[in-house]
Amino acid sequence: DTAVSQTPKYLVTQMGNDKSIKCEQNLGHDTMYWYKQDSKKFLKIMFSYNNKELIINETVPNRFSPKSPDKAHLNLHINSLELGDSAVYFCASSQKPGWGYEQYFGPGTRLTVT
Amino acid sequence: EDQVTQSPEALRLQEGESSSLNCSYTVSGLRGLFWYRQDPGKGPEFLFTLYSAGEEKEKERLKATLTKKESFLHITAPKPEDSATYLCAVQGDFNKFYFGSGTKLNVKP
Repeated sequence: DTAVSQTPKYLVTQMGNDKSIKCEQNLGHDTMYWYKQDSKKFLKIMFSYNNKELIINETVPNRFSPKSPDKAHLNLHINSLELGDSAVYFCASSQKPGWGYEQYFGPGTRLTVT
Repeated sequence: EDQVTQSPEALRLQEGESSSLNCSYTVSGLRGLFWYRQDPGKGPEFLFTLYSAGEEKEKERLKATLTKKESFLHITAPKPEDSATYLCAVQGDFNKFYFGSGTKLNVKP
């Protein structure tokens, strides 16, 4: 039974297009995250939601817009895709946002912009 | 600047050859230090959380320790199935997570 799932796993698209990535967790967690992993394997946090409320909003282009319809789902919409957006995007969840709660990650979505 | 640095970048061991991975951090307001394992093409898998200096956690052949400025992941008598990238993450002020770039471990039979 998959705890954190993402769709699609692979996404190949052209510059200028708009695309979405979906994430769902069945762990009953309150907090969800989006991370970007670049070619050097650094994981950088982009956004975090707690109970549908945005609590972390890092410096990312406003072409990226997260949406949390309920606490089990967090989607990422990207407008006007650019070559530099190519990366692996991971969704994660944790029980709470606070002290020392570990995160559980999805399998990732590899986005390739051509 | 909040930062997490892992060393070495890559480590090749023979099966049974014990070693340690290092994670040093300059993050204000430490709330937890986490170790994850990441296999190729997969998301990071949680291993340990450490909260304060002097704390240790063990799981099978892995043991994580924490001091005020760094953490070590000790691997005792590793097996080929321990081959993976090991990531360190620190949770600091405002509940933000900072990840290191990982140590890629290759254990040869």
